[in-house]
Amino acid sequence: AQTVTQSQPEMSVQEAETVTLSCTYDTSESNYYLFWYKQPPSRQMILVIRQEAYKQQNATENRFSVNFQKAAKSFSLKISDSQLGDTAMYFCAFMIGGSNYKLTFGKGTLLTVNP
Amino acid sequence: DSGVTQTPKHLITATGQRVTLRCSPRSGDLSVYWYQQSLDQGLQFLIQYYNGEERAKGNILERFSAQQFPDLHSELNLSSLELGDSALYFCASSGRQGGEKLFFGSGTQLSVL
Repeated sequence: AQTVTQSQPEMSVQEAETVTLSCTYDTSESNYYLFWYKQPPSRQMILVIRQEAYKQQNATENRFSVNFQKAAKSFSLKISDSQLGDTAMYFCAFMIGGSNYKLTFGKGTLLTVNP
Repeated sequence: DSGVTQTPKHLITATGQRVTLRCSPRSGDLSVYWYQQSLDQGLQFLIQYYNGEERAKGNILERFSAQQFPDLHSELNLSSLELGDSALYFCASSGRQGGEKLFFGSGTQLSVL
């Protein structure tokens, strides 16, 4: 079974600064995807970024980037130039590739961006 | 807007009752997933349907059932409700191409009193 661990229940950052959220996972699969989802107070689940395990290059989406360390089974999210609208719960998630596309989520990290 | 529609947004009911949650996937998406989000269990996968057929089951209780209709909308039926069933229930959909990208609805908040 796959597990996803987010060791930081809460984090805070000042507006315009950079913050990194941690995630580790455990799997014996070789083909998989990793995701970061954002859940703002509106409760909507929003896909932030996706990484294919077979790609060595780290995914980036505007101010969001990941540090994917496959051997260490680590998948951290870096948010640059933090904005007040980034305040949300962030979930790390795992999916086995070529399967039924079921997501396994971590417990989440509550990020607060302070003005 | 993800394109996935869930109704109702809020539902308040009593223990022992039965409710139905509805989900309309994004246009063209064949897969529908149901997830439960609660404070103690976090986000848990319940069940997946693909083009009308059950594809995968997760931590879904026997009191819960789901189905996907020919028009691809899905319903999650929760019966003999207990206080612990209070949670946010999400529906998500994905397509044949890029199936690993799930798009979530805004959820149905169920409160069992």
